[in-house]
Amino acid sequence: EIVLTQSPGTLSLSPGERATLSCRASQSVSSRYLAWYQQKPGQAPRLLIYGASSRTSGIPDRFSGSGSGTDFTLTISRLEPEDFAVYYCQQYGSSPRTFGQGTKVEI
Amino acid sequence: EVQLVESGGGLVQPGGSLRLSCAGSGFRFSSYWMHWVRQVPGKGLVWVSRTDTDGSSTTYVDSVKGRFTISRDNAKNTLYLEMNSLRAEDTAVYYCAREYVLLIGANRYYHGMDVWGQGTTVTVSS
Repeated sequence: EIVLTQSPGTLSLSPGERATLSCRASQSVSSRYLAWYQQKPGQAPRLLIYGASSRTSGIPDRFSGSGSGTDFTLTISRLEPEDFAVYYCQQYGSSPRTFGQGTKVEI
Repeated sequence: EVQLVESGGGLVQPGGSLRLSCAGSGFRFSSYWMHWVRQVPGKGLVWVSRTDTDGSSTTYVDSVKGRFTISRDNAKNTLYLEMNSLRAEDTAVYYCAREYVLLIGANRYYHGMDVWGQGTTVTVSS
């Protein structure tokens, strides 16, 4: 099983600032099958990024993903008030599909 | 509107059974792989199970193998999760989600879970 470790656990930032979230895998993620999800309280997760760097339709371009192998990054270039949420990475190249423990981006 | 709606959650005693349903609408249900993901309130996401487009291939996380069964009825645009021998640690919100998987020859190309339901709550307690 691939274990994903996200850091930091909590990121305290202000609107307009840049957020950099890390996701490290215990072994190489096949074919860059790494996704990022955003979850707000009381809501289902929302897919932001798949294939490590491809934005899902409708996701603003301030969200970008990068990385390969075992190290991946989600960057939010300029935080908007609606971006404060919990972010999860997930690998889907091998079974079982696993999620990281999440990074909370708070004001 | 593309939508997934879960139902069937509730309170069940340890050792009991429950069947969750997930109804899809607004898209070609039979063209998508489907997943179940659960989340203990205040905790992280845990992938539970998935099925391919016709239900012929399924996989599970180890903690539910032999107890949970995923299935689908494409004629009814509905995904199911049959849960038996329930334990307190199965208590969670259960989400269904879809994934488009492109098949080219013998290769599969995955795209992540792009539509999720609102979740249904399962509580296992005496």
